[in-house]
Amino acid sequence: QLQLQESGSGLVKPSQTLSLTCAVSGGSISSGVYSWSWIRQPPGKGLEWIGYIYHTGSTYYNPSVKSRVTISVDRAKNQLSLKLTSVTAADTAVYFCAKLADSGYDFFDYWGQGILVTVSS
Amino acid sequence: ETVLTQSPVTLSLSPGERATLSCGASQSVNSNYLAWYQQKPGLAPRLLIYDASSRATGIPDRFSGSGSGTDFTLTISRLEPEDFAVYYCQQYGNSPPITFGQGTRLEIK
Repeated sequence: QLQLQESGSGLVKPSQTLSLTCAVSGGSISSGVYSWSWIRQPPGKGLEWIGYIYHTGSTYYNPSVKSRVTISVDRAKNQLSLKLTSVTAADTAVYFCAKLADSGYDFFDYWGQGILVTVSS
Repeated sequence: ETVLTQSPVTLSLSPGERATLSCGASQSVNSNYLAWYQQKPGLAPRLLIYDASSRATGIPDRFSGSGSGTDFTLTISRLEPEDFAVYYCQQYGNSPPITFGQGTRLEIK
């Protein structure tokens, strides 16, 4: 059974860089058909897709954060990472990593438990 | 970007009743590539339905999805106590970007 676990700093100062990792267990992150995504949820609000990295290595980002975000995979550590630069209070949210369905379509069949990141001085 | 609008925002029903949740798209969703998720407080969303009407692994058959084009529906035939949660639709037919609806809160009446 695939499991995902987010980790990283829960408190980031404005203008700094948010960095999170997602450890994958029960499977290899570099398995031929696995693609991965980050999604966030501001407190009390709905879900916002941040971006994804396909098994081919191609990345796609939400235009709302495209200039500030990088998603990458570390095959040696079997983990996914997210970097978001120049953060503001609007970036305060629970951040989820998720796996895209094996069928190659862009819905999410496995999710991490999420990690709350607060942007505050 | 395809905007998804869910209705109602809040739905108050009793266990045993039938729930009908709607998701409308600002433009036709290609191939009816729409998913539904359930989210309980403090937990990650759980996939219920994909491709508008296919149940995900392990999802009870009281959950069903229907619809096409711009209008989609999630139906829960007989509500169980554990079904009270927030439900989100998500389109992937016109992605990227992937978009989610704002959610429908299903609460106990």
